[in-house]
Amino acid sequence: DSGVTQTPKHLITATGQRVTLRCSPRSGDLSVYWYQQSLDQGLQFLIQYYNGEERAKGNILERFSAQQFPDLHSELNLSSLELGDSALYFCASSVAGEKLFFGSGTQLSVL
Amino acid sequence: DQQVKQNSPSLSVQEGRISILNCDYTNSMFDYFLWYKKYPAEGPTFLISISSIKDKNEDGRFTVFLNKSAKHLSLHIVPSQPGDSAVYFCAAPRYGGSQGNLIFGKGTKLSVKP
Repeated sequence: DSGVTQTPKHLITATGQRVTLRCSPRSGDLSVYWYQQSLDQGLQFLIQYYNGEERAKGNILERFSAQQFPDLHSELNLSSLELGDSALYFCASSVAGEKLFFGSGTQLSVL
Repeated sequence: DQQVKQNSPSLSVQEGRISILNCDYTNSMFDYFLWYKKYPAEGPTFLISISSIKDKNEDGRFTVFLNKSAKHLSLHIVPSQPGDSAVYFCAAPRYGGSQGNLIFGKGTKLSVKP
């Protein structure tokens, strides 16, 4: 158990819909990272937050957004969903950024 | 643009033998590398790391070797066990150093047969 909690584990929705993925980092970790894993692209970095502030942005689509709340949990919002957004979405957290601890992921299926 | 490459999608070895997983990188700024292991339905878990000031780091059955001139690293597992069957990812901090968001290879699926 990494200590990082992601909910829900599975999400099935339709094209055009909007979903929210939630992540609770390990106790004491200030950084939260979101990654997308699709079959052909491996683990792709989306966005990082540090203590409530956006720290780095990767290959995140404009239809996607994230935030980190004062209690340090984070949410990833995906809107106007397309079939190609179907993937496994991971959240990770760290203290100093040297090692990332990953949650077990949210499997998103867009039908 | 893949800066961290794992060219073997899969590897199959016999229990008790050595498993060697390879990783190449293109960015000379990278000076810290990590290996993660991932089981189905779980998130990646940290396995072992190496700094560029070393050419080898060992932790039990796992050893990582770094060849800076060739921009190549490898993970050796000796002896391999069926429980080692998983996907292994090589990673490096995107902007160099030892911190920050990681860029991952696409992974190598290791199967250890009893």
